[in-house]
Amino acid sequence: QVQLVQSGAEVKEPGASVKVSCKASGYIFTNYAVFWVRQAPGQRLEWMGWINTDNGNTKYSQKFQGRATFTRDTSASTAYMELSSLRFEDTAVYYCVRDGAAHYYDSGGYWVHNWFDPWGQGTLVTVSS
Amino acid sequence: DIQLTQSPSFLSASVGDIVTITCRASQGMSSYLAWYQQKPGKAPNLLIYGASTLQSGVPSRFSGSGSGTEFTLTISSLQPEDFATYYCQQYKSYPLTFGGGTKVEIK
Repeated sequence: QVQLVQSGAEVKEPGASVKVSCKASGYIFTNYAVFWVRQAPGQRLEWMGWINTDNGNTKYSQKFQGRATFTRDTSASTAYMELSSLRFEDTAVYYCVRDGAAHYYDSGGYWVHNWFDPWGQGTLVTVSS
Repeated sequence: DIQLTQSPSFLSASVGDIVTITCRASQGMSSYLAWYQQKPGKAPNLLIYGASTLQSGVPSRFSGSGSGTEFTLTISSLQPEDFATYYCQQYKSYPLTFGGGTKVEIK
């Protein structure tokens, strides 16, 4: 079955970086964009951006531009999210999610669907001194 | 950014009840809306996309409706496994945004 399995919980100090992995199985990895969404305690879900798993192109929420980096390893069917310059308010559960349908290209460019299924199990990142 | 406001934030209901959750958008977004269910300690799970298309495998007691700025998620006969928090999400424009959630608890 289609599954996304994320790396384990992390505890980091302010100013450090964290890298979360997301291993996909059950489908052709390069046929679907992978998104990153986080959920801080008591806050609503927050979209961070996506990566085109086919060519590695990325799109970031303006909030995370310059601080988040999405990469992928197609040979391992794995996507990665690195967040730098961590702050206390970055404490959250980070989810990787697959786009709801296969991405595609046409004369207008590259298209994703922007709804999410399935979700990884989540990775708790705690920023603490 | 498109702001999504869910109501109510919390509701208490009994098994068998009809439950309706509303999601209002700060601007028109056609049918670019999805609904998710989240149980404690678990990742969200897609229920509906395109405002009214039921995701494969989701029970038919879940339905979605609406377009423009007002959307509704309805559970026709609440089951014990439906007690959870529900979120709407818009994908009309970036940044993608979510509603604040509606927690459905047992009366």
